[in-house]
Order: sequence, then C-alpha cells, then structure tokens
Amino acid sequence: AQKITQTQPGMFVQEKEAVTLDCTYDTSDPSYGLFWYKQPSSGEMIFLIYQGSYDQQNATEGRYSLNFQKARKSANLVISASQLGDSAMYFCAMSLKRGNYQLIWGAGTKLIIKP
Amino acid sequence: EPEVTQTPSHQVTQMGQEVILRCVPISNHLYFYWYRQILGQKVEFLVSFYNNEISEKSEIFDDQFSVERPDGSNFTLKIRSTKLEDSAMYFCASSADGASSSEQYFGPGTRLTVT
Repeated sequence: AQKITQTQPGMFVQEKEAVTLDCTYDTSDPSYGLFWYKQPSSGEMIFLIYQGSYDQQNATEGRYSLNFQKARKSANLVISASQLGDSAMYFCAMSLKRGNYQLIWGAGTKLIIKP
Repeated sequence: EPEVTQTPSHQVTQMGQEVILRCVPISNHLYFYWYRQILGQKVEFLVSFYNNEISEKSEIFDDQFSVERPDGSNFTLKIRSTKLEDSAMYFCASSADGASSSEQYFGPGTRLTVT
C-alpha cells in the first residue's frame, strides 16, 4: 500500500541551526514524485521542494534541500540556517498515478524554532 | 505571480445544510483537485478533475459531494447535506499538467465549520 510516514510529530531547533525532517515512503510504482510543503499557523499550504523518482541528484531550493535515498525509500528535508519564520507544520507528500497524480500525505512535523 | 484563490475563507453552517466552496484555479492550469484537512490531522485527497470530468475520487468523496466547473474559471465543491464530521479545512489545488512532477498549487483554503 502506498504510504508516507513522518515519524517526528514535533521538533524544537535553535535558530541558525540546520534541521532535518524525516520522511519515508512506500510504493511499488516506479514513477513517483516527492514533495515537501510548509503550512504556517495561518493555514495555507506552501510548496517548498520536489524530487522525482528518476532524478539522479538531490533537489535544492535555496535553504531547502532534499536528502533522497531511493534504496531506503526516504526523502528527508534539510533546512539550513533555520530562521524564526521557519516555525510551521511541514508535510511530506508523494504523487501517485491514480487519475491525475493525487498527492498522498504524511501526518506532518511541527517545527518550532527557538530564538 | 498567479495564484489559486478560494472563497469563502471561513464558512459556518448548520448540519444538514448544503454548502458550496469556490475555487479559482490558475488560469492556464488543466488539472484540479480538492483536498481536506481535519484539524490536527493529515491532508486527505478528495477528488481530481480534468477535461470537465472526475478523474479519480477517494472513499471520502461519497454521494454527498460533487464538483463542477460551471464556467471557464471557477471550480466548485458542493456538499449536499453537511455532517459534523465534514468540519475541516478544504484546499483546492491546480496543476498545469498531470505529470508526477507537476507541482500542485494550493489555494489558501476554506475552513468549514458544521454546527
């Protein structure tokens, strides 16, 4: 069964430190995509980064990078030099070919950055 | 930058009433989605829509739910007879194409409260 697992319900990190948010996935489909979204307390869903199952290199977007380990089926999000504004819920999601590539979501990790 | 919009931002309704949640996807996008997020829980896929018909729907999307694209811009989710358990944040999303790599752009959400 297709599934996304985020094992860290909450994390506290000191400002300016790097943080890794864990995500593991399970699918037998050879073609899939992995996404990270940020949800601040205001509720909107903000796209952060994407990794395709066939991509050879790890994705990076500014302070965000994705540590993609295909054999382990993990797609951890790394935020470098964390900022107070990074405090939010973070969701890992996987796109699967059912209809139009619906997204399957993890339970999320609540990240709190301490000053 | 183009964005997905949703109205209303918050809707309160009584159990048994019909509600219509409205979304305006990004204008050149062809694929549309509804997701919901019950407070404190993970995001759940409801339905995907392409070429004026439903491509995929989840178990949640029962006969009480319907979607429509009544004109060239709006995409609506109707709940015919709301139940208490329909209380959630409802997100509309759109994507340019149906590929696994295609980023789904999310609207700010409509918070539905059923009393």
